[in-house]
Parts: sequence; structure tokens; C-alpha cells
Amino acid sequence: GAVVSQHPSWVICKSGTSVKIECRSLDFQATTMFWYRQFPKQSLMLMATSNEGSKATYEQGVEKDKFLINHASLTLSTLTVTSAHPEDSSFYICSARDVQRAYEQYFGPGTRLTVT
Amino acid sequence: GESVGLHLPTLSVQEGDNSIINCAYSNSASDYFIWYKQESGKGPQFIIDIRSNMDKRQGQRVTVLLNKTVKHLSLQIAATQPGDSAVYFCAENPRVNTDKLIFGTGTRLQVFP
Repeated sequence: GAVVSQHPSWVICKSGTSVKIECRSLDFQATTMFWYRQFPKQSLMLMATSNEGSKATYEQGVEKDKFLINHASLTLSTLTVTSAHPEDSSFYICSARDVQRAYEQYFGPGTRLTVT
Repeated sequence: GESVGLHLPTLSVQEGDNSIINCAYSNSASDYFIWYKQESGKGPQFIIDIRSNMDKRQGQRVTVLLNKTVKHLSLQIAATQPGDSAVYFCAENPRVNTDKLIFGTGTRLQVFP
């Protein structure tokens, strides 16, 4: 149980285009999902907290107009990178918190974004 | 500011030996800590967690120790195997009533035969 999926697993896009990444909790409901970004050989940096039915909470320094987050249901959150640039190339990882289990977060497999 | 850091960026051990990965945290109010394993190109995988009211917790081949006095966390892996090779991150929940996790910088564990 407690499986989180992400789609796509990797994507290449041209500079200036937008890319949507999906995060799904497959066998549990998640009122809260989290989006992280990880550059090569670095740690995970929290970008934003996504709450079902409400606006996301962004970490300091993360542009909310560039990284659009939508959490429309208890099993799906999406991250859209708008007007992507090469510096947005990174590994994006989501996690989801099971409403039945306090504290525990389950991580998705990540999405590799390359902007050319 | 809040931070979680590691002492060793890379740890090389021989197969069968025990591994110890260390982590220092700065927020004395943190009440929940987790160790994750991340293999190349994959998301973090939960290993073991510990709450601040405990100082030791054991799992299968892994033990987490928490020393709140010096704000130190360690992960011990017994009889390290090649499949344990990965990057290990500690993470802390820095405040009560928040789900946020702050990740440490990571330690790469290399297991050689």
C-alpha cells in the first residue's frame, strides 16, 4: 500500500513552453501533497505544500506564478512549470500524506525535466 | 536558520561491515525524524523514523539513534550489503502542527566487496 505515482517520469521541452507533472496517490487519500525539487548531487528542497481544495503554500523564493500547483482531488496534485527555462531543468518529486496516518509521507518516483 | 546537515558526504564500507551515517539538526523543537534511502533516478524510500520522545528505534538491520542533547541523529546499518548502496538523507519535521520536512544534505554510501 501507500503508493504514489508521478507522470511523466521524464520530459524534455523547449524553452518557453509549459510542462505539467502529475502526482497521484494510488491507494490512499491525501489531503496534503508536497512538491520538491532536486538538482544533481543535492538534497531535496521543498517548493510548496499542496492542500486539497485550497491554494498551495509556497516556500520562500519559489515563484508561485511560475510553478502552478493544483490539488483538485484527494488523490491528484499537479505542478505546472510555466515558461520553462534551462535553469528549471531538475528532478521534481512529490510526496503525499495519508489522511489516516499522521506524519508519514510517501514519495513518488520523481520526474526528470530537461529544458532545452 | 533551520538546517539539517550531515558530517560525511561519502561513506565507503566493505560488504558485511556495519555502516553508521550521521546527521546534525539545528532546531531543538523538531519532534519527528526520518531516514530515507534514495537510489539514482528514483524518489526517496522510507527506511525508519523516530519521534523526539525516543532515543532509539530498531528495524530490520537498521537502527536509528537520537541524541537530543547534542541534536544528533544517526542511522546504523548492520551487515551492509551491495543493495544498500545509495544516498541516505535524514529529514526533520521542524515544528509542531506542520507536515513540512527539511532534508539534510545527504550521504552517499558505497559498498564494496
